[in-house]
Amino acid sequence: KAGVTQTPRYLIKTRGQQVTLSCSPISGHRSVSWYQQTPGQGLQFLFEYFSETQRNKGNFPGRFSGRQFSNSRSEMNVSTLELGDSALYLCASSWDTGFHTQYFGPGTRLTVL
Amino acid sequence: KQEVTQIPAALSVPEGENLVLNCSFTDSAIYNLQWFRQDPGKGLTSLLLIQSSQREQTSGRLNASLDKSSGRSTLYIAASQPGDSATYLCAVKGQGAQKLVFGQGTRLTINP
Repeated sequence: KAGVTQTPRYLIKTRGQQVTLSCSPISGHRSVSWYQQTPGQGLQFLFEYFSETQRNKGNFPGRFSGRQFSNSRSEMNVSTLELGDSALYLCASSWDTGFHTQYFGPGTRLTVL
Repeated sequence: KQEVTQIPAALSVPEGENLVLNCSFTDSAIYNLQWFRQDPGKGLTSLLLIQSSQREQTSGRLNASLDKSSGRSTLYIAASQPGDSATYLCAVKGQGAQKLVFGQGTRLTINP
């Protein structure tokens, strides 16, 4: 069974640009969550999608948005990039929410110059 | 607001030793607790998940315990090997919340 895949793996952008990251969950998984990891703040929850609906959202500005498609693939978008958005963005999938284990992808390393 | 703390931040031990990593959380109303491993520059690998109704889980040389009332979990690694070197993160899922709250991790180095 293929794991969670994220594309692209590495990305370099400049301030003010926007970026879209993609996540393909494990086959059959319907819940996709996104996390941001930085050396200073550690891992922080961005949002969770289940069956194309956003279920939860973390404390991030509105520049961070996401969506989920009918095949459970998810994208997150960051508009008007700032230097502080440089981070490893991790996607996690699970069959459902609640007690199911979350499986993480390898992440997308975003560098904002 | 749930806060998760992991002590120590870093640990270096010789190969073959048994070791314990600690995780504490402030709100005992959790749904489950999960231990992860992260290798440098990589994603997270799930090691063990303990439901709130459980006291411990075991997988190979790993054993995780959960004491919800005191807000603590420990990850026990037996007969450590150099390949165990990584950062270990614990994360809790709160009741009514569908997100994981992570600790800052313990960076473990096993010396041959």
